[in-house]
Amino acid sequence: ETGVTQTPRHLVMGMTNKKSLKCEQHLGHNAMYWYKQSAKKPLELMFVYSLEERVENNSVPSRFSPECPNSSHLFLHLHTLQPEDSALYLCASSQEQGPGELFFGEGSRLTVL
Amino acid sequence: GDSVTQMEGPVTLSEEAFLTINCTYTATGYPSLFWYVQYPGEGLQLLLKATKADDKGSNKGFEATYRKETTSFHLEKGSVQVSDSAVYFCALRKNSGYSTLTFGKGTMLLVSP
Repeated sequence: ETGVTQTPRHLVMGMTNKKSLKCEQHLGHNAMYWYKQSAKKPLELMFVYSLEERVENNSVPSRFSPECPNSSHLFLHLHTLQPEDSALYLCASSQEQGPGELFFGEGSRLTVL
Repeated sequence: GDSVTQMEGPVTLSEEAFLTINCTYTATGYPSLFWYVQYPGEGLQLLLKATKADDKGSNKGFEATYRKETTSFHLEKGSVQVSDSAVYFCALRKNSGYSTLTFGKGTMLLVSP
Protein backbone atom coordinates (compact mmCIF):
# COMPACT_ATOMS: atom_id res chain seq x y z
CA GLU A 1 0.00 0.00 0.00
CA THR A 2 1.07 3.57 -0.59
CA GLY A 3 0.18 6.93 0.89
CA VAL A 4 -1.95 7.41 3.98
CA THR A 5 -4.54 4.78 4.90
CA GLN A 6 -7.37 5.33 7.36
CA THR A 7 -9.67 2.72 8.90
CA PRO A 8 -12.54 2.40 9.29
CA ARG A 9 -13.90 4.55 6.49
CA HIS A 10 -17.29 4.75 8.19
CA LEU A 11 -18.17 4.39 11.88
CA VAL A 12 -21.48 4.71 13.70
CA MET A 13 -21.38 4.73 17.47
CA GLY A 14 -23.56 5.51 20.44
CA MET A 15 -22.62 8.11 23.01
CA THR A 16 -21.51 5.48 25.53
CA ASN A 17 -19.32 3.46 23.14
CA LYS A 18 -15.54 3.38 22.95
CA LYS A 19 -13.99 3.10 19.53
CA SER A 20 -10.73 3.97 17.78
CA LEU A 21 -9.74 5.42 14.42
CA LYS A 22 -6.52 4.18 12.86
CA CYS A 23 -4.14 5.87 10.47
CA GLU A 24 -1.06 4.41 8.80
CA GLN A 25 1.35 6.22 6.53
CA HIS A 26 3.68 4.48 4.08
CA LEU A 27 5.62 7.60 3.03
CA GLY A 28 8.47 7.55 5.54
CA HIS A 29 7.29 10.81 7.07
CA ASN A 30 8.05 11.89 10.63
CA ALA A 31 5.00 14.01 11.48
CA MET A 32 1.33 13.04 11.66
CA TYR A 33 -1.86 15.03 12.17
CA TRP A 34 -5.54 14.68 12.99
CA TYR A 35 -7.98 17.14 11.45
CA LYS A 36 -11.74 17.40 11.92
CA GLN A 37 -13.93 18.39 8.96
CA SER A 38 -17.51 19.40 9.76
CA ALA A 39 -20.11 20.71 7.35
CA LYS A 40 -19.89 24.46 6.76
CA LYS A 41 -16.86 24.88 9.05
CA PRO A 42 -13.17 25.24 8.25
CA LEU A 43 -10.85 22.31 8.72
CA GLU A 44 -9.91 22.12 12.39
CA LEU A 45 -6.46 20.94 13.43
CA MET A 46 -6.83 18.65 16.44
CA PHE A 47 -3.44 17.10 17.17
CA VAL A 48 0.08 17.11 15.78
CA TYR A 49 2.78 14.54 16.43
CA SER A 50 6.33 15.27 15.37
CA LEU A 51 8.92 12.54 15.84
CA GLU A 52 6.30 10.64 17.87
CA GLU A 53 5.88 13.44 20.41
CA ARG A 54 2.67 15.42 20.65
CA VAL A 55 3.55 18.99 19.79
CA GLU A 56 0.11 20.51 19.43
CA ASN A 57 -3.27 19.95 21.04
CA ASN A 58 -5.78 22.56 19.96
CA SER A 59 -8.12 22.63 22.96
CA VAL A 60 -9.66 19.34 21.97
CA PRO A 61 -12.05 17.80 24.53
CA SER A 62 -10.61 14.93 26.54
CA ARG A 63 -13.14 12.51 25.03
CA PHE A 64 -10.71 12.46 22.08
CA SER A 65 -7.41 10.79 22.96
CA PRO A 66 -4.61 10.47 20.39
CA GLU A 67 -1.86 7.88 20.38
CA CYS A 68 1.24 7.70 18.19
CA PRO A 69 3.14 4.46 18.94
CA ASN A 70 5.63 5.01 16.10
CA SER A 71 6.19 7.33 13.17
CA SER A 72 3.99 5.26 10.85
CA HIS A 73 0.88 4.84 12.99
CA LEU A 74 -1.56 7.24 14.58
CA PHE A 75 -4.73 6.46 16.51
CA LEU A 76 -7.63 8.54 17.73
CA HIS A 77 -9.41 6.91 20.66
CA LEU A 78 -13.01 7.96 21.10
CA HIS A 79 -15.20 7.68 24.20
CA THR A 80 -18.38 9.27 25.49
CA LEU A 81 -18.80 11.29 22.31
CA GLN A 82 -21.58 13.78 21.59
CA PRO A 83 -23.72 14.03 18.45
CA GLU A 84 -21.91 17.26 17.52
CA ASP A 85 -18.72 15.21 17.20
CA SER A 86 -20.14 13.64 14.04
CA ALA A 87 -17.75 14.66 11.26
CA LEU A 88 -15.11 13.48 8.82
CA TYR A 89 -11.83 12.86 10.63
CA LEU A 90 -8.80 13.26 8.40
CA CYS A 91 -5.32 11.98 9.10
CA ALA A 92 -2.30 13.50 7.39
CA SER A 93 1.46 13.13 7.39
CA SER A 94 4.42 15.23 6.35
CA GLN A 95 8.18 15.30 6.38
CA GLU A 96 9.58 17.94 8.68
CA GLN A 97 12.30 20.19 7.29
CA GLY A 98 10.81 19.45 3.88
CA PRO A 99 8.55 21.37 1.48
CA GLY A 100 5.83 21.30 4.11
CA GLU A 101 2.91 19.84 2.20
CA LEU A 102 0.63 17.44 3.99
CA PHE A 103 -0.51 14.15 2.53
CA PHE A 104 -4.03 13.19 3.59
CA GLY A 105 -5.88 9.94 3.99
CA GLU A 106 -9.42 9.53 2.69
CA GLY A 107 -10.91 10.11 6.11
CA SER A 108 -13.11 8.28 8.59
CA ARG A 109 -16.76 9.37 8.53
CA LEU A 110 -18.00 9.28 12.13
CA THR A 111 -21.67 9.40 13.11
CA VAL A 112 -22.57 9.65 16.80
CA LEU A 113 -26.14 8.70 17.64
CA GLY B 1 -2.92 35.06 13.87
CA ASP B 2 -2.59 33.60 10.42
CA SER B 3 -5.69 33.31 8.29
CA VAL B 4 -6.83 32.42 4.78
CA THR B 5 -9.91 33.85 3.10
CA GLN B 6 -11.51 32.24 0.08
CA MET B 7 -14.45 33.32 -2.03
CA GLU B 8 -17.80 31.86 -1.03
CA GLY B 9 -19.18 29.05 -3.13
CA PRO B 10 -20.59 27.27 -4.83
CA VAL B 11 -19.05 28.41 -8.08
CA THR B 12 -21.16 27.07 -10.94
CA LEU B 13 -19.69 26.94 -14.45
CA SER B 14 -20.32 25.30 -17.77
CA GLU B 15 -17.73 22.96 -19.23
CA GLU B 16 -14.83 24.78 -20.97
CA ALA B 17 -15.45 28.01 -19.01
CA PHE B 18 -12.62 29.96 -17.37
CA LEU B 19 -12.21 29.47 -13.63
CA THR B 20 -10.95 31.84 -10.96
CA ILE B 21 -11.19 31.09 -7.25
CA ASN B 22 -9.90 33.94 -5.13
CA CYS B 23 -7.68 33.41 -2.10
CA THR B 24 -6.07 36.02 0.13
CA TYR B 25 -4.06 35.48 3.26
CA THR B 26 -2.84 37.19 6.40
CA ALA B 27 0.46 36.06 7.87
CA THR B 28 3.70 37.48 9.15
CA GLY B 29 6.87 36.67 7.28
CA TYR B 30 6.94 34.64 4.10
CA PRO B 31 4.61 31.65 4.20
CA SER B 32 4.37 28.86 1.65
CA LEU B 33 1.02 28.69 -0.12
CA PHE B 34 -0.96 25.67 -1.28
CA TRP B 35 -4.13 24.66 -3.10
CA TYR B 36 -5.74 21.37 -2.13
CA VAL B 37 -8.68 19.65 -3.84
CA GLN B 38 -11.24 17.33 -2.27
CA TYR B 39 -13.35 15.17 -4.56
CA PRO B 40 -16.62 13.77 -3.18
CA GLY B 41 -16.05 11.04 -0.61
CA GLU B 42 -12.29 11.48 -0.57
CA GLY B 43 -9.58 13.17 1.45
CA LEU B 44 -7.64 16.26 0.41
CA GLN B 45 -5.06 16.07 -2.38
CA LEU B 46 -2.34 18.60 -2.99
CA LEU B 47 -3.06 20.38 -6.28
CA LEU B 48 -0.20 22.89 -6.42
CA LYS B 49 2.07 25.00 -4.26
CA ALA B 50 4.36 28.03 -4.24
CA THR B 51 7.05 28.71 -1.69
CA LYS B 52 8.13 32.29 -2.41
CA ALA B 53 6.88 35.52 -3.92
CA ASP B 54 6.23 35.50 -7.68
CA ASP B 55 6.42 31.70 -7.83
CA LYS B 56 3.77 30.11 -10.03
CA GLY B 57 2.45 26.69 -9.06
CA SER B 58 0.80 24.62 -11.76
CA ASN B 59 -0.73 21.16 -12.15
CA LYS B 60 -3.43 19.53 -14.32
CA GLY B 61 -4.10 22.83 -16.10
CA PHE B 62 -4.56 24.77 -12.85
CA GLU B 63 -2.27 27.68 -11.99
CA ALA B 64 -1.77 30.08 -9.09
CA THR B 65 0.81 32.84 -8.62
CA TYR B 66 2.13 33.90 -5.21
CA ARG B 67 1.51 37.69 -5.08
CA LYS B 68 3.10 39.13 -1.97
CA GLU B 69 2.10 42.72 -2.76
CA THR B 70 -1.59 41.77 -2.73
CA THR B 71 -1.22 38.79 -0.32
CA SER B 72 -3.09 36.64 -2.82
CA PHE B 73 -2.86 33.20 -4.40
CA HIS B 74 -5.80 32.98 -6.80
CA LEU B 75 -6.48 29.66 -8.52
CA GLU B 76 -7.15 29.71 -12.28
CA LYS B 77 -7.89 27.25 -15.05
CA GLY B 78 -8.49 28.14 -18.66
CA SER B 79 -11.07 25.45 -19.47
CA VAL B 80 -12.80 23.47 -16.74
CA GLN B 81 -14.16 19.96 -17.12
CA VAL B 82 -17.02 18.17 -15.36
CA SER B 83 -14.38 16.08 -13.58
CA ASP B 84 -13.03 19.24 -11.91
CA SER B 85 -16.17 19.44 -9.76
CA ALA B 86 -14.84 19.33 -6.20
CA VAL B 87 -14.09 21.50 -3.17
CA TYR B 88 -10.91 23.57 -3.40
CA PHE B 89 -8.99 24.69 -0.30
CA CYS B 90 -6.36 27.40 -0.12
CA ALA B 91 -3.80 26.99 2.69
CA LEU B 92 -0.66 28.55 4.05
CA ARG B 93 2.27 27.26 6.05
CA LYS B 94 4.68 29.34 8.05
CA ASN B 95 8.25 28.51 7.09
CA SER B 96 9.38 27.73 10.59
CA GLY B 97 8.65 24.89 12.94
CA TYR B 98 6.55 21.90 11.94
CA SER B 99 4.21 21.84 8.98
CA THR B 100 0.90 22.99 10.40
CA LEU B 101 -1.27 24.33 7.61
CA THR B 102 -3.90 27.03 8.03
CA PHE B 103 -6.80 26.35 5.66
CA GLY B 104 -9.49 28.51 4.15
CA LYS B 105 -13.11 27.37 4.39
CA GLY B 106 -13.09 25.82 0.94
CA THR B 107 -14.90 26.71 -2.28
CA MET B 108 -17.16 24.21 -4.00
CA LEU B 109 -16.92 24.12 -7.79
CA LEU B 110 -19.74 22.61 -9.82
CA VAL B 111 -19.16 22.14 -13.56
CA SER B 112 -22.08 21.18 -15.78
CA PRO B 113 -21.82 19.62 -19.28
